[in-house]
Amino acid sequence: KAGVTQTPRYLIKTRGQQVTLSCSPISGHRSVSWYQQTPGQGLQFLFEYFSETQRNKGNFPGRFSGRQFSNSRSEMNVSTLELGDSALYLCASRTGLDSTDTQYFGPGTRLTVL
Amino acid sequence: AQKVTQAQTEISVVEKEDVTLDCVYETRDTTYYLFWYKQPPSGELVFLIRRNSFDEQNEISGRYSWNFQKSTSSFNFTITASQVVDSAVYFCALGSSNTGKLIFGQGTTLQVKP
Repeated sequence: KAGVTQTPRYLIKTRGQQVTLSCSPISGHRSVSWYQQTPGQGLQFLFEYFSETQRNKGNFPGRFSGRQFSNSRSEMNVSTLELGDSALYLCASRTGLDSTDTQYFGPGTRLTVL
Repeated sequence: AQKVTQAQTEISVVEKEDVTLDCVYETRDTTYYLFWYKQPPSGELVFLIRRNSFDEQNEISGRYSWNFQKSTSSFNFTITASQVVDSAVYFCALGSSNTGKLIFGQGTTLQVKP
């Protein structure tokens, strides 16, 4: 089974721009979560989607948004980019919303904001 | 509040040494889940193990072993006879039963020298 895939792997943007990151979950997985990883804050939860609905949300500003499509693929959007948004963005998928489901992570998208 | 503490920021060992990575967690949930993930330089978080709060049985898998102690809120990870390929950042994470959100520790960078 193919793992979680994320595109693009690397991205360079300038302040004020917006960016869209994409995540394809493991086949059969219907839940997708997003995390931001920075040297200062570590790994922080952004949000989780299941059946095209946001189920949980972390403590991030409204500039961070996401969506999920009927095939479970998910996109994350960041508008009005700030220097502090430079990070590795990781996507994780799991089978469903059962607490016994383990999350499996993709390789991440490294975003650099200049 | 939920919290995971990995007090060891960096550990350096020589190949074939045993090494233990410490993890201490805080939660008020009666049912929760603990995880260890490995992050090699490529960036992807690789799932290693999951433990449920109601299962304190320790586990050994090849060179890896885990010691879960509810009384001290600890979930430590030991690598026996370390190898250079074990060099990575290791994260301990806490999940609750009603959300897919994972709370990560700050990570421990393990360097295994030949």
